[in-house]
Amino acid sequence: QVQLQESGPGLVKPSQTLSLTCNVSGGSISSGGYCWTWIRQHPGRGLEWIGCIYYSGSSYYNPSLRSRVTISVDTSKNQFSLKLTSVTAADTAVYYCARVKGDIVVDNWFDPWGQGTLVTVSS
Amino acid sequence: QSVLTQPPSVSAAPGQKVTISCSGSSSNIGNNYVSWYQQLPGTAPKVLIYDNNKRPSGIPDRFSGSKSGTSATLGITGLQTGDEADYYCGTWDSSLSTVVFGGGTKLTVL
Repeated sequence: QVQLQESGPGLVKPSQTLSLTCNVSGGSISSGGYCWTWIRQHPGRGLEWIGCIYYSGSSYYNPSLRSRVTISVDTSKNQFSLKLTSVTAADTAVYYCARVKGDIVVDNWFDPWGQGTLVTVSS
Repeated sequence: QSVLTQPPSVSAAPGQKVTISCSGSSSNIGNNYVSWYQQLPGTAPKVLIYDNNKRPSGIPDRFSGSKSGTSATLGITGLQTGDEADYYCGTWDSSLSTVVFGGGTKLTVL
């Protein structure tokens, strides 16, 4: 079965770029029909969908973050990545990668999830 | 403020049944599928229900989902102490063009 694992710096300075990677094991990221997703959870709060990308390159972003977010796929490494620019303390959160099977508008249920990684934005 | 409204907390005794509501609008729950997630303390969320009322393989039938109009409900029967967790609903919002989640409900099994 597919497993996901996030990796990246746990501390990012304000105004810099947050970069995270999600490694996919147990299956190929090139398998069609999956939207590879990032979701975050601010400390003690609810979930916020950041966006997702299909193997084809089609991507979908939360409008509230679109201007600062890029999600990309690296098929050679079987992983996908998140870049969030111009971060502030408000971007401090646990970041999860997850997978959606099918159309993100219709089939927007996430399974599996990575374990999550805490990113703190602080100088 | 979350687009989908859930009660902050619910509680019930072991063996009892509990329901968790998720209220939205025609732009989200009213016209899109709802999913439900369980987040045990210190862990990632796990899907319990998708497409309003379907259970993924491995999810016991103690968990059920339903939808009526612009509201959805998660039901849990035969409560166990291991069910203590935060529960979230989620769906697509056609007006906002994004996935939206409820604020989460903390279940306490007394």
